[in-house]
Amino acid sequence: GQSLEQPSEVTAVEGAIVQINCTYQTSGFYGLSWYQQHDGGAPTFLSYNALDGLEETGRFSSFLSRSDSYGYLLLQELQMKDSASYFCAVPHTGGFKTIFGAGTRLFVKA
Amino acid sequence: NAGVTQTPKFQVLKTGQSMTLQCAQDMNHEYMSWYRQDPGMGLRLIHYSVGAGITDQGEVPNGYNVSRSTTEDFPLRLLSAAPSQTSVYFCASSSRGPDTQYFGPGTRLTVL
Repeated sequence: GQSLEQPSEVTAVEGAIVQINCTYQTSGFYGLSWYQQHDGGAPTFLSYNALDGLEETGRFSSFLSRSDSYGYLLLQELQMKDSASYFCAVPHTGGFKTIFGAGTRLFVKA
Repeated sequence: NAGVTQTPKFQVLKTGQSMTLQCAQDMNHEYMSWYRQDPGMGLRLIHYSVGAGITDQGEVPNGYNVSRSTTEDFPLRLLSAAPSQTSVYFCASSSRGPDTQYFGPGTRLTVL
């Protein structure tokens, strides 16, 4: 079956760096995506890794290790507005379906 | 571009009623999908479509029907609403597939 595991909560201080991990188990691997969701809002696409390594987009970076079935989202120079839930997601079953993790709630403190 | 739009934003139904949640996108995306999100949980795939006339089931399809007569529209129909269908429903679209999806604002549904 398909499953993803990520921590339920992470707390960090404004200006700091935080890493949110995701381990996955899927039948056929197509890549790892990350989404951000603020309370009451819709998920917003952040990044997608199909190959091993680090992808950087501004303050956010995402890493993938296919041999370890593991990835992480790295948020730098944390701001209060980064307080949100972060979901990892993997396509499976021919790449047409997606399973989402339960989400990591990030609290950024002043 | 309006992106992905959903109507209504809020809906209250009684058990046994039927209704259709509307979803439209103006980005000419071939891939569209419906998810439900329950409190404190991730999103679960209900149905998806890879193009007009083509739909398939996701993880939790029971109690829901979809159709895709045009590229733009992907409505979700609740056949006979049950309290277990109380949830937030998100529609999403993508030009590539499920790896890079753009979500609508959601419909908050309560079934009494």
